[in-house]
Amino acid sequence: EAEVAQSPRYKITEKSQAVAFWCDPISGHATLYWYRQILGQGPELLVQFQDESVVDDSQLPKDRFSAERLKGVDSTLKIQPAELGDSAMYLCASRPRQGARTEAFFGQGTRLTVV
Amino acid sequence: KQEVTQIPAALSVPEGENLVLNCSFTDSAIYNLQWFRQDPGKGLTSLLLIQSSQREQTSGRLNASLDKSSGRSTLYIAASQPGDSATYLCAVRGSQGNLIFGKGTKLSVKP
Repeated sequence: EAEVAQSPRYKITEKSQAVAFWCDPISGHATLYWYRQILGQGPELLVQFQDESVVDDSQLPKDRFSAERLKGVDSTLKIQPAELGDSAMYLCASRPRQGARTEAFFGQGTRLTVV
Repeated sequence: KQEVTQIPAALSVPEGENLVLNCSFTDSAIYNLQWFRQDPGKGLTSLLLIQSSQREQTSGRLNASLDKSSGRSTLYIAASQPGDSATYLCAVRGSQGNLIFGKGTKLSVKP
């Protein structure tokens, strides 16, 4: 069964260091999302891609976060420098295409701890 | 701005009980609503997707209903089992394409 792949599963980093997460969506899915989930809260959107283009990054803290999806397939989310408040679960999701009433599928997430 | 609320925040029931989880949203202009399950420290597993034109969807012991005009959805779980223990999240999708989530209901089913 096709899955959204994320790596690493867990990451511990020191404050002010750089950290990167990788996501490989389900094959053929044009829409890719990065969400952040703080413990006890629902996921909140950071950035949405349609193919290689950013559709929505209004909630992305652009002074320290960046995201790219260069070939419209896999994607990388980077934080530099990491802050204590960035400790959270980072979830990637994909859908076949934007605008269609299709189901979103999520990966297992990357649990980030900033110390 | 769309807001999604889930009640209750936590629920504990004995095995075998039928239960209902509630989800409400403030803007009825949605494309669809999706229910997810999340186990501790894990990602989200999609349970049911209801399109805005539908009233309900069923999968096994799960039944989700949608009343778009009143901004409400319910997830009904029949004959609950300890393996159903998890956090249940509902999310609505609007024209922008992204999902807006509630904070979830943490369900505990006691043997």
